[in-house]
Amino acid sequence: QAVVTQEPSLTVSPGGTVTLTCASSTGAVTSGHNAYWLQQKPGQAPRTLIYDTSNKHSWTPARFSGSLLGGKAALTLSGAQPEDEAEYYCLLCISGPWVFGGGTKLTVL
Amino acid sequence: EVLLVESGGGLVQPGGSLRLSCAASGFTFSRYWMTWVRQAPGKGLEWVANIKEDGSKKYYMDSVKGRFTISRDNAKNSLFLQMNSLRAEDTALYYCEGGEKADYWGQGSLVTVSS
Repeated sequence: QAVVTQEPSLTVSPGGTVTLTCASSTGAVTSGHNAYWLQQKPGQAPRTLIYDTSNKHSWTPARFSGSLLGGKAALTLSGAQPEDEAEYYCLLCISGPWVFGGGTKLTVL
Repeated sequence: EVLLVESGGGLVQPGGSLRLSCAASGFTFSRYWMTWVRQAPGKGLEWVANIKEDGSKKYYMDSVKGRFTISRDNAKNSLFLQMNSLRAEDTALYYCEGGEKADYWGQGSLVTVSS
């Protein structure tokens, strides 16, 4: 089964832009991986922000966007807010089994 | 309002069994795949198992194959996870997830495997 790799931690300034990435050990991440991005704050359940690489749920703030970048899935946060400080998980789904990345701890400072 | 409410967790000795339940409401449960995801204390999310809308397909992570069984009762809008031969490394908060695009998550049920 694939191993999914994310940056362990990133820091962004308030109002700044940051890109989190998600790589697969089996090769390039494509639209077929149906990449998801989830946000989890301490003590809370995860919340799905992005599905199918770039689609947003109704509750997803507009400042978050998903894409494919250089063979990886990417989550870009433009105009970071203090409330965006959280753990972010990439999830790849290929016809059944899921694989989560290890998570990126995003600090807004 | 969509709700997923997990129950059935607790403290169990190694080798023991537990059955988790997830009660769903506020959406058409029978239309969607359902999934169990777990999170060990201080660790990341880990997919455990998922089940097709009609229960005809099930997938498991390697370390729980043969020990855990996922099932569902669409008439009762409920998802289950039967966990046998539990190990210390199964200690985690177990989340129920569902919806068309991982829309809905429960708050989790804590399973602690310890002697």
